Amino acid sequence: QVTLKESGPALVKPTQTLTLTCTFSGFSLSTSGMRVSWIRQPPGKALEWLARIDWDDDKFYSTSLKTRLTISKDTSKNQVVLTMTNMDPVDTATYYCARMTAAAEFDYWGLGTPVTVSS
Amino acid sequence: DIQMTQSPSSLSASVGDRVTITCRASQSISSYLNWYQQKPGKAPKLLIYAASSLLSGVPSRFSGSGSGTDFTLTISSLQPEDFATYYCQQSYVTPYTFGQGTKLEIK
Repeated sequence: QVTLKESGPALVKPTQTLTLTCTFSGFSLSTSGMRVSWIRQPPGKALEWLARIDWDDDKFYSTSLKTRLTISKDTSKNQVVLTMTNMDPVDTATYYCARMTAAAEFDYWGLGTPVTVSS
Repeated sequence: DIQMTQSPSSLSASVGDRVTITCRASQSISSYLNWYQQKPGKAPKLLIYAASSLLSGVPSRFSGSGSGTDFTLTISSLQPEDFATYYCQQSYVTPYTFGQGTKLEIK
């Protein structure tokens, strides 16, 4: 059974760095074709893809956010970590991690973790 | 980046109605188009992948079609549990992009 769970701070201050962890089970990120992405959703708004990391450690980022994002993995712990620097109130959103297969659809999602950026 | 445009943004319909949601890509994405359903306070759920492939366990009243730049999601006979927001997403190339969503409401 595939599961993913996001964790991290619920509240961060403007200019701070956000660190989110996705802990997953039921698959391995060392398996060829496996990928994990981060996606966010501001309150009442649409989904926005942020970043992807692959089984071979390839990494891909949102065009508009790539200077602020870093994605990494710890295969032994079954975790993917996303850091976002210089947080702003407009970054307030629910942040999701999701599994992707080589077919590139998001087939399993975590429950999401809400993050508020406020002083 | 590839832009995904859904229409309509919202839709009122009744149980038993047939509804169609349209998604248009700003350039050809072949059949790399996925559809998700999201209910309030919940994570999105994959319904259809590769434009027309129904995920196992998804009711057969859902169907998808299209290729290139124009795609549709059709629900043949709305059920009460189908009232939700639907998103299309292109997986042709990173950065992946989603449509703005279509909120399906009860008439």
